[in-house]
Amino acid sequence: AQSVTQPDIHITVSEGASLELRCNYSYGATPYLFWYVQSPGQGLQLLLKYFSGDTLVQGIKGFEAEFKRSQSSFNLRKPSVHWSDAAEYFCAVGAWSGNTPLVFGKGTRLSVIA
Amino acid sequence: DAGVIQSPRHEVTEMGQEVTLRCKPISGHDYLFWYRQTMMRGLELLIYFNNNVPIDDSGMPEDRFSAKMPNASFSTLKIQPSEPRDSAVYFCASSEGQGIYGYTFGSGTRLTVV
Repeated sequence: AQSVTQPDIHITVSEGASLELRCNYSYGATPYLFWYVQSPGQGLQLLLKYFSGDTLVQGIKGFEAEFKRSQSSFNLRKPSVHWSDAAEYFCAVGAWSGNTPLVFGKGTRLSVIA
Repeated sequence: DAGVIQSPRHEVTEMGQEVTLRCKPISGHDYLFWYRQTMMRGLELLIYFNNNVPIDDSGMPEDRFSAKMPNASFSTLKIQPSEPRDSAVYFCASSEGQGIYGYTFGSGTRLTVV
């Protein structure tokens, strides 16, 4: 079964600074990977996904993520954070085989300060 | 498409009362998921359906919880009787397949049991 770890519970960055949120997964084969964002009082919104091909994927709102098989990681990055990026971010992993649902990490809360 | 629609957005009820949460998935999506989100436990998968058939309900916490999907455009999650520890945000999500498609989440129902 697949699993996902988001090591950072809470991160604070200054507006305009770069951001990297960590995600590590465990799965015996090539997974497919997702990042979701949840703004306060809202549901989860898909930012980007990876399932094959180019290991650097671009998403909405200026986010990107890089799949690194050797490190079992799928870290989310943004070169310049805006105050509106303050939210909860969830990494999720899915399996190619079988009929198993996505497994979500526990989330990383991002705070943005002026 | 209007996305995944959940109702009500907020529900306050007294302990012991029956609560029914509703979800309309995106048309054409054949998977439907019910999640519960709390500060303590994060995002928990309660149950999911494929083509209106419950596939895995192992996440349903107790017999007080039940879910149905009478047709492709409607699902309910019922709690009877409700307890204060059921207070949480309940999300419905739908997908056009398991795996690479990702899930589309509704805005959630915030349930408070007093």
